[in-house]
Amino acid sequence: DSGVTQTPKHLITATGQRVTLRCSPRSGDLSVYWYQQSLDQGLQFLIQYYNGEERAKGNILERFSAQQFPDLHSELNLSSLELGDSALYFCASSVLAQTEAFFGQGTRLTVV
Amino acid sequence: AQSVTQLGSHVSVSEGALVLLRCNYSSSVPPYLFWYVQYPNQGLQLLLKYTSAATLVKGINGFEAEFKKSETSFHLTKPSAHMSDAAEYFCAVSDAGGTSYGKLTFGQGTILTVHP
Repeated sequence: DSGVTQTPKHLITATGQRVTLRCSPRSGDLSVYWYQQSLDQGLQFLIQYYNGEERAKGNILERFSAQQFPDLHSELNLSSLELGDSALYFCASSVLAQTEAFFGQGTRLTVV
Repeated sequence: AQSVTQLGSHVSVSEGALVLLRCNYSSSVPPYLFWYVQYPNQGLQLLLKYTSAATLVKGINGFEAEFKKSETSFHLTKPSAHMSDAAEYFCAVSDAGGTSYGKLTFGQGTILTVHP
C-alpha cells in the first residue's frame, strides 16, 4: 500500500458525460501528479500540482481539468467524455517535487 | 525533451534465470532515471532510482540497474528470477533535470513472464 488513495476504483459512464476522479495523497505529501494509462498511448503525464498550485502540464486535453484543495487532496475532472478517454487514471504524490513519487492503484474509467 | 525506449515488449525467463530488461533514454539534461513495476490490477511501485550518485543502483526485491552514460542505458537486472517477479516493468526519466521527480516520461513497458 503506497498510501495514495484514489476513488472510485472503477467508473463506467456514457459518452458526453462528466466525471470527477479523486486522489488523497500520502500524509504530508505536497505534490500531486495525474497520469493516464491506455493501451495505445501508454503512461502519459497529465498535470502536476504543488501545494495547491499548478506546477506542470503535460498532454492534458482541454476537456480535462484538475485542482488541488487546501487539504492537499486533488480532483481530476473529465468532461464531454469520448470513447477514447477510456483508460486507467493514476494519481501519484511526493513530499516535495525533488523526491520520488508514489502511485495510487488507479481509477479505471470506461466510457460506453 | 526526454524519451525512453524499452527494448522488448515481452521477456520470458525460467525461474532461477537471469532477468535483463533493457532501457535506453534520451535526455538533454543530466537524467534522473527510475524503474517501476506494475502487478496486475495494481498501481506502480518504485523499484529503484538513479539520481546522479552511484552508477550501480540497488533496489527492492533483488533488482539492480546500472547507469551507463556512454550507452545512454539504464538496464534492469536480477540474478535469479522468481515466479513472483512476473509483472510489467516501466523505465522512466524525470523531466526538468531532476527538479520534479514525479513528472515522468515512461517507456512503453516490458511484460516479464517467469516459467517454472
